Amino acid sequence: GQQLNQSPQSMFIQEGEDVSMNCTSSSIFNTWLWYKQEPGEGPVLLIALYKAGELTSNGRLTAQFGITRKDSFLNISASIPSDVGIYFCAGQSTSGTYKYIFGTGTRLKVLA
Amino acid sequence: DVKVTQSSRYLVKRTGEKVFLECVQDMDHENMFWYRQDPGLGLRLIYFSYDVKMKEKGDIPEGYSVSREKKERFSLILESASTNQTSMYLCASRNQGFSYEQYFGPGTRLTVT
Repeated sequence: GQQLNQSPQSMFIQEGEDVSMNCTSSSIFNTWLWYKQEPGEGPVLLIALYKAGELTSNGRLTAQFGITRKDSFLNISASIPSDVGIYFCAGQSTSGTYKYIFGTGTRLKVLA
Repeated sequence: DVKVTQSSRYLVKRTGEKVFLECVQDMDHENMFWYRQDPGLGLRLIYFSYDVKMKEKGDIPEGYSVSREKKERFSLILESASTNQTSMYLCASRNQGFSYEQYFGPGTRLTVT
């Protein structure tokens, strides 16, 4: 099935550094969701975005809905070891009422 | 807090067995989903239920069926388990309406031998 392009695929960072990742689509979305998944666990919803240009924060996490409605960005500030995991985006198309398209995921590893 | 629970975290079944995976959500959500997640393939939608007794096939429904007799419960059934159904199965739910936030359960790791 279709997957969204997400970059980077993986990254190693030092504790305390800021992290940026993004998701791009060839289609317009009306909703962007960002999740974190740890090994063997289900994805946990971090942030939901509903309007182009919207900027939303959840603690050290900030996500933005791109103004073209074809992309979204997630930033993590001052990373800590427990930020380790896979982050992925999900978009909901304007044409679908229930289907989400998921990103390929960004694997984050934090070096203490 | 929204809570989605799945009946088992780990299951090991034999080829040909009938397998039931149960999912329960406690937020009175209308919509419920079953996905499978495989390395390199991401999340793929198996079935979707938009209300009690209502269901729609997702992208990969072959070999699966579902049941939704009560609003809070959505069951995935593998009619005759096969080794290619070894996977992580994730249930999710969401409220129908303006908010399209989708919440996942902890997952069931199914191994078919």
